[in-house]
Amino acid sequence: GEDVEQSLFLSVREGDSSVINCTYTDSSSTYLYWYKQEPGAGLQLLTYIFSNMDMKQDQRLTVLLNKKDKHLSLRIADTQTGDSAIYFCAESDGGTSYGKLTFGQGTILTVHP
Amino acid sequence: GAGVSQTPSNKVTEKGKYVELRCDPISGHTALYWYRQSLGQGPEFLIYFQGTGAADDSGLPNDRFFAVRPEGSVSTLKIQRTERGDSAVYLCASSLNPGPTRGMNFGPGTRLTVT
Repeated sequence: GEDVEQSLFLSVREGDSSVINCTYTDSSSTYLYWYKQEPGAGLQLLTYIFSNMDMKQDQRLTVLLNKKDKHLSLRIADTQTGDSAIYFCAESDGGTSYGKLTFGQGTILTVHP
Repeated sequence: GAGVSQTPSNKVTEKGKYVELRCDPISGHTALYWYRQSLGQGPEFLIYFQGTGAADDSGLPNDRFFAVRPEGSVSTLKIQRTERGDSAVYLCASSLNPGPTRGMNFGPGTRLTVT
């Protein structure tokens, strides 16, 4: 079945850039997503990218997709302490089950002042 | 309310008991999703509703799990003969229409503990 893998931890200093990496196995993945989860809050969609794109930028967020290597990354510029959270990569094949996402196990981002 | 709400927020039950978990989606959202998140893991898909019907229930782990959405709004996830392995946070999400680019709005979850 589909598998999505992420590194478990990332620690950065405030003001630096953070890069969170993800690999996936499903070659039919059509849509790839980044979600953020903060304690006591629901999962929040940060951004998504179509598989026919290489890059997407949205304010401080940059998503890079290497479809050949099935590698996705999320770069957060000028990381702030409020960015500390768990970040999940997810994929779907874009079929009729639009809400059927496969999530990675999450990367815990810690931002130090 | 403005967001997806789930009740109860916490549920502790004994092994073998029956539980119901409720999800109130955002008003007007036709698509509703249930996920399960175990400690230290990402959410795992359970079932997806489009309106009143289950469009995809392939993630339900076994026949002890069942979900309904009789009027196309509120949904209830039902678990029979609970087992300790069912302990997890059960997440509900809704979206205005189904579609891969329409971000799902997740609720805060119900933490189920089976003792």
